[in-house]
Amino acid sequence: AQSVAQPEDQVNVAEGNPLTVKCTYSVSGNPYLFWYVQYPNRGLQFLLKYITGDNLVKGSYGFEAEFNKSQTSFHLKKPSALVSDSALYFCAVRDRGSTLGRLYFGRGTQLTVWP
Amino acid sequence: DTGVSQDPRHKITKRGQNVTFRCDPISEHNRLYWYRQTLGQGPEFLTYFQNEAQLEKSRLLSDRFSAERPKGSFSTLEIQRTEQGDSAMYLCASLGSHRLHFGNGTRLTVT
Repeated sequence: AQSVAQPEDQVNVAEGNPLTVKCTYSVSGNPYLFWYVQYPNRGLQFLLKYITGDNLVKGSYGFEAEFNKSQTSFHLKKPSALVSDSALYFCAVRDRGSTLGRLYFGRGTQLTVWP
Repeated sequence: DTGVSQDPRHKITKRGQNVTFRCDPISEHNRLYWYRQTLGQGPEFLTYFQNEAQLEKSRLLSDRFSAERPKGSFSTLEIQRTEQGDSAMYLCASLGSHRLHFGNGTRLTVT
């Protein structure tokens, strides 16, 4: 069974402060891991992915995430938050051994960055 | 890369009516996915096509739902006899470079 947990429904940070959005996952095999962001009434926009290689992945808009196999985590981070980062963030996982390409998503974390 | 496009963006319908949504994936992508997203939830998988073949359907996809991709290009998702519980955002995505590329979705409201 494959699943993703985002333990925080909401994360609030002040502009300029670092932010972390947490994600843990469960897959039967080795994972591909993803972060997507969603703005109101829009589809999901890709931020970054972990496929293989370096555990620290850098993505769009200054975001990065670290794959931690022992803790089965893939937390999203940014050193300095912007008000424009306020949005809904989704973590997703895919079993590397699956030929279907289907992603399993978490419930999402609403990030609010206040000025 | 012209992106994934979905039509319409919004649909309001009365309970019991049929609705059909269209998705045009990125042209070189063979794999196409439909997801449903309700308020406060992440996207939930509905169905998946490789070219014109529908290879997997979620149990969320009741008999009232049908999806097609007749020529392996665009896809349609039809809901018959809509119910209020069908109100959701319906997202289409195509697979390329190990990731899903999403359209902006069709928001369905059933009154």
